[in-house]
Amino acid sequence: EAGVVQSPRYKIIEKKQPVAFWCNPISGHNTLYWYLQNLGQGPELLIRYENEEAVDDSQLPKDRFSAERLKGVDSTLKIQPAELGDSAVYLCASSLQQGNGYEQYFGPGTRLTVT
Amino acid sequence: AQSVTQLGSHVSVSEGALVLLRCNYSSSVPPYLFWYVQYPNQGLQLLLKYTTGATLVKGINGFEAEFKKSETSFHLTKPSAHMSDAAEYFCAVSGNNQGGKLIFGQGTELSVKP
Repeated sequence: EAGVVQSPRYKIIEKKQPVAFWCNPISGHNTLYWYLQNLGQGPELLIRYENEEAVDDSQLPKDRFSAERLKGVDSTLKIQPAELGDSAVYLCASSLQQGNGYEQYFGPGTRLTVT
Repeated sequence: AQSVTQLGSHVSVSEGALVLLRCNYSSSVPPYLFWYVQYPNQGLQLLLKYTTGATLVKGINGFEAEFKKSETSFHLTKPSAHMSDAAEYFCAVSGNNQGGKLIFGQGTELSVKP
């Protein structure tokens, strides 16, 4: 079984430039999460999708961040424009369904460096 | 609101020694508790989880954790450390009606000395 796939693995951009991250969840997983992990800290939830619907985006900075999950499968997270403070690892996770009984499977993450 | 505190950002043990990583949580609802491991440049992997029932939970790679409600703790242990255990460990909590949202601690880096 293929795991959660993320690309790119690494991205270096200059501030004020746009950037996008892509996530392909495990086949059949309805719930998809995007987490932000700053250096030396635990991940923090940015947004959670149930199929194609964003059901929790309260932690997503909507002035510069946007996300979509077309057809309830792949998802894209975008930052425009990027700021120095956005340098972090962006993790995608998926689970069969939402709820505490379902394990979240994490991808390897995209490490973003903003210069 | 829920929160997690991991005591000690860095723990160092000798190979073969006991591993003890501490986690305390705060939750206004019955918690679901998790331990994840993260190897360099990789995503998080679930070690074990507590939902309901038996308070001593066994996970992969010889790790186990005990849920102690009175102490609001969920410490992770392994009787004998192996070099391959060196990694970052995260404790996390979620609660009912949270849609599986995980609240993570800041992590503990485990080093294993030969």
